[in-house]
Amino acid sequence: ILNVEQSPQSLHVQEGDSTNFTCSFPSSNFYALHWYRWETAKSPEALFVMTLNGDEKKKGRISATLNTKEGYSYLYIKGSQPEDSATYLCASSNTGNQFYFGTGTSLTVIP
Amino acid sequence: NAGVMQNPRHLVRRRGQEARLRCSPMKGHSHVYWYRQLPEEGLKFMVYLQKENIIDESGMPKERFSAEFPKEGPSILRIQQVVRGDSAAYFCASSPNPADTQYFGPGTRLTVL
Repeated sequence: ILNVEQSPQSLHVQEGDSTNFTCSFPSSNFYALHWYRWETAKSPEALFVMTLNGDEKKKGRISATLNTKEGYSYLYIKGSQPEDSATYLCASSNTGNQFYFGTGTSLTVIP
Repeated sequence: NAGVMQNPRHLVRRRGQEARLRCSPMKGHSHVYWYRQLPEEGLKFMVYLQKENIIDESGMPKERFSAEFPKEGPSILRIQQVVRGDSAAYFCASSPNPADTQYFGPGTRLTVL
């Protein structure tokens, strides 16, 4: 079982602020890291799949970086909007078979 | 292209009954993952299947739980003799390749009375 941790657990930001949160995972035998966005009453929606150390991915105002040597990934949101309010999950795998999820960062963007 | 379908969306069972949860992956996806979300907890990996094969079931309880993904038809997660502690949301996800983007279904919320 991989210990995947996310911080902070929850976050409140003002509309227009930029924010970031962290996903930590065991760096040994790293295979892949996934980021998901999960809105209440919906299913998790894939944001990024990251596999290589130093990867940077971007989708609109959201971007992510990956450091496999030290075992962390950052998710950044630039100019947060109320519709960005959701729980952001990361999941790590060392085999490509099982994916272990963190408990998520719950983001609330205040208009 | 329809997304991942799960049914039923809500399932109520009495203790000791069987629960069958179905997952139809996206078209062209042959990899299916099942996850469980217990109340107040995150998503926990249960089992990873490819068509007709269980690849990894290390996250699934050894008793009462089984999963299959037949050549034709949906993947089935079966829970025999359900207990109250089985009450949870069960999500499946599918992907075209191992470790590729996983597309999640809407989940089945199982309530055991």
